[in-house]
Amino acid sequence: GENVEQHPSTLSVQEGDSAVIKCTYSDSASNYFPWYKQELGKGPQLIIDIRSNVGEKKDQRIAVTLNKTAKHFSLHITETQPEDSAVYFCGGATNKLIFGTGTLLAVQP
Amino acid sequence: EAGVVQSPRYKIIEKKQPVAFWCNPISGHNTLYWYRQNLGQGPELLIRYENEEAVDDSQLPKDRFSAERLKGVDSTLKIQPAELGDSAVYLCASSLDQGGTMVVDTQYFGPGTRLTVL
Repeated sequence: GENVEQHPSTLSVQEGDSAVIKCTYSDSASNYFPWYKQELGKGPQLIIDIRSNVGEKKDQRIAVTLNKTAKHFSLHITETQPEDSAVYFCGGATNKLIFGTGTLLAVQP
Repeated sequence: EAGVVQSPRYKIIEKKQPVAFWCNPISGHNTLYWYRQNLGQGPELLIRYENEEAVDDSQLPKDRFSAERLKGVDSTLKIQPAELGDSAVYLCASSLDQGGTMVVDTQYFGPGTRLTVL
């Protein structure tokens, strides 16, 4: 079955800097890759997703890139703000969504 | 538009007691999921419903866990009896089946129920 690995487990950046979180997946049949943001005491919130027929997707300060050959995808957050601080989860899916172990992002003001 | 609603938000019980969680999905969403999220981990799927039918319950510990979605709308997840290791956040999610070749649709999560078993 699918296995998704996520790095780093923690990431601290200064406000205004960029943050990059990387994930790798094992099943070459995976075709859907969402990213969720989870704040303390809340459920995961979808922030961006990408399907395997595109290589990059952007939404304001957030972008995701997908390299199907290498089986990895990344989340890029530019001009980080303190409110971006949260745990971020990547996911990979064929017929079932498998999540990574999460990255705790801390944006220092 | 209201999101996924879950109740209760928190539950503390003693081991061997039963517990139930309730979920109301986003209106019109035919697919409903129950996930378990252990501390410091990503969510793990327990069961997926398409309308009233449980189409994937391979990860549901059937000796103590049960779920139902009788009218294809809201759902209940039950644990009986609860064990210490069941302490976790139980998340409900829903999606709209778009059909076609894209099997996994975008999932929207509720706030979860944090269960503590003492």
